[in-house]
Amino acid sequence: DGGITQSPKYLFRKEGQNVTLSCEQNLNHDAMYWYRQDPGQGLRLIYYSQIVNDFQKGDIAEGYSVSREKKESFPLTVTSAQKNPTAFYLCASPEVFMNTEAFFGQGTRLTVV
Amino acid sequence: EDKVVQSPLSLVVHEGDTVTLNCSYEVTNFRSLLWYKQEKKAPTFLFMLTSSGIEKKSGRLSSILDKKELSSILNITATQTGDSAIYLCAIMNRDDKIIFGKGTRLHILP
Repeated sequence: DGGITQSPKYLFRKEGQNVTLSCEQNLNHDAMYWYRQDPGQGLRLIYYSQIVNDFQKGDIAEGYSVSREKKESFPLTVTSAQKNPTAFYLCASPEVFMNTEAFFGQGTRLTVV
Repeated sequence: EDKVVQSPLSLVVHEGDTVTLNCSYEVTNFRSLLWYKQEKKAPTFLFMLTSSGIEKKSGRLSSILDKKELSSILNITATQTGDSAIYLCAIMNRDDKIIFGKGTRLHILP
């Protein structure tokens, strides 16, 4: 079945450490997105990529980095510069050419300890 | 700056009631408006709206877009406890940027 796989589901990080969240899709979509969700905040856009080897900052990109070396993969690194990284992270991928809805992964809950 | 505002932020009703959730937006180069339902983890897709005045329906849920008023509503009739969730509205612009609102948390009392 086509879909988006995020891993791990739960992640614990010590303060000062970088951590990378995985997002893989087999939908053959060009576009991939990363969102952060905090209670009462909805989904806030971190980064998005419309095509391989290209990506744009979203509204809250500071303290995060991404890469898009392959169409299927869009990993998100939460760096030590991110002051409040504890949150629920969602990866999404629409087929923008066909203007379809965005499909979501099951999310990664990151906790800084 | 593109913006999506949902109201109310929270709503509690009794089973069987009808609810209307609102979404207003400011966006450069509007492409589409999307509604999602989020219960536990991943949001699930409900509707995509691109044209004004055309109602989309799925069972007890329906939605319509008003491009003149830059808004959309999501109606749920004969609510059930299983409708309890966060309902998210998002807009996509022609640069493929997808922005979400804060969501409406709906709780249905039995």
